[in-house]
Amino acid sequence: DARVTQTPRDKVTEMGQEVTMRCQPILGHNTVFWYRQTMMQGLELLAYFRNRAPLDDSGMPKDRFSAEMPDATLATLKIQPSEPRDSAVYFCASGLSSLSKQFFGPGTRLTVL
Amino acid sequence: EDKVVQSPLSLVVHEGDTVTLNCSYEVTNFRSLLWYKQEKKAPTFLFMLTSSGIEKKSGRLSSILDKKELFSILNITATQTGDSAVYLCAVASGDTGFQKLVFGTGTRLLVSP
Repeated sequence: DARVTQTPRDKVTEMGQEVTMRCQPILGHNTVFWYRQTMMQGLELLAYFRNRAPLDDSGMPKDRFSAEMPDATLATLKIQPSEPRDSAVYFCASGLSSLSKQFFGPGTRLTVL
Repeated sequence: EDKVVQSPLSLVVHEGDTVTLNCSYEVTNFRSLLWYKQEKKAPTFLFMLTSSGIEKKSGRLSSILDKKELFSILNITATQTGDSAVYLCAVASGDTGFQKLVFGTGTRLLVSP
């Protein structure tokens, strides 16, 4: 049963530290999405890749967030420096560009103290 | 700006009740509407609707889309405690090969025994 995987599942860090979250999309999927979910804002799209190229990162705070796809099996989301307001669950999802349906990973729960 | 609005925000029912969840949207270049169920962690896919008036069914769950009035409903009959979750509505917009999802804030359903 193909699934999106994410690591770590939980991360607690102190303000100012660098945080890196990783995602392995489903093999064969060519689109990858990063979302952030909070109680107040719901699911917000942060970044979107197609065939490893970034297409849309307008939802991402540029000064501290960066997203990359070093290869087709790995997507990363980095926060440097982290702040308490970054505390949220970060989801990665993958899909096929010809279809709307996205498959979500289990998420990384980030707590910045 | 693309917008997806869900109602009610939360709902408490007794086992065996029937519930109707609502989703209205305003997006440019509509492609499809999707329903997801989110329990503890990752949203899991329920339905994707692209055409008006065609009901999608899966067991006790069903959904229908009205593209003229820009809304969708998700029905759950004979509810069970396992149906307790947040139900997310999302709309895919954009060109073929460049679709992204805009999510509503969800309806939190609690089914009591």
